[in-house]
Amino acid sequence: DTEVTQTPKHLVMGMTNKKSLKCEQHMGHRAMYWYKQKAKKPPELMFVYSYEKLSINESVPSRFSPECPNSSLLNLHLHALQPEDSALYLCASSQTLRQGSYNEQFFGPGTRLTVL
Amino acid sequence: GENVEQHPSTLSVQEGDSAVIKCTYSDSASNYFPWYKQELGKRPQLIIDIRSNVGEKKDQRIAVTLNKTAKHFSLHITETQPEDSAVYFCAATPQGGRDDKIIFGKGTRLHILP
Repeated sequence: DTEVTQTPKHLVMGMTNKKSLKCEQHMGHRAMYWYKQKAKKPPELMFVYSYEKLSINESVPSRFSPECPNSSLLNLHLHALQPEDSALYLCASSQTLRQGSYNEQFFGPGTRLTVL
Repeated sequence: GENVEQHPSTLSVQEGDSAVIKCTYSDSASNYFPWYKQELGKRPQLIIDIRSNVGEKKDQRIAVTLNKTAKHFSLHITETQPEDSAVYFCAATPQGGRDDKIIFGKGTRLHILP
């Protein structure tokens, strides 16, 4: 299995809702990432998990809460979001630098999030 | 930290002609340079990559060149086809840091004109 999967594909939520995005991979990768992508922009790194531990938080607001329950799963919990948080949320995975010298990242299809 | 500059931001090419996208990076320790293609509404997909111990790599109509001295790398697409229309992102991965992350360029929107 060489795919990263994400659910849901689309999500519409109000500013008071709580929702979660899910990501899964079975490639044995021990690094997993959350990116936010706005239209016509590159993916913007939010979080990196390495060996199920949070290794990078790019100063993301606390209304985004990541979780890595095991080496195959990555969640992003959303609470009290703002309309400007509407974007495509991409998950990716890669080998870690400890596993190999080059971390080719494999992206999931993304969740298109709309905050009303 | 690493900074990746990408040019041009938009490129229009007649079908059948070649397209070239250029990137520069700042961290001389960077050792891996992937290129991603993102079609509208889809995920970024790796199309080719090059490692710092290689100067050029080719895969059918796509080639990438790396000049470590000048710290720049380029994507070349020959005999362009309509399905090449997409946004292309270059990236660099700093070596030696503890971070497992890549730094993206701002992207090039490639239009293939019929």
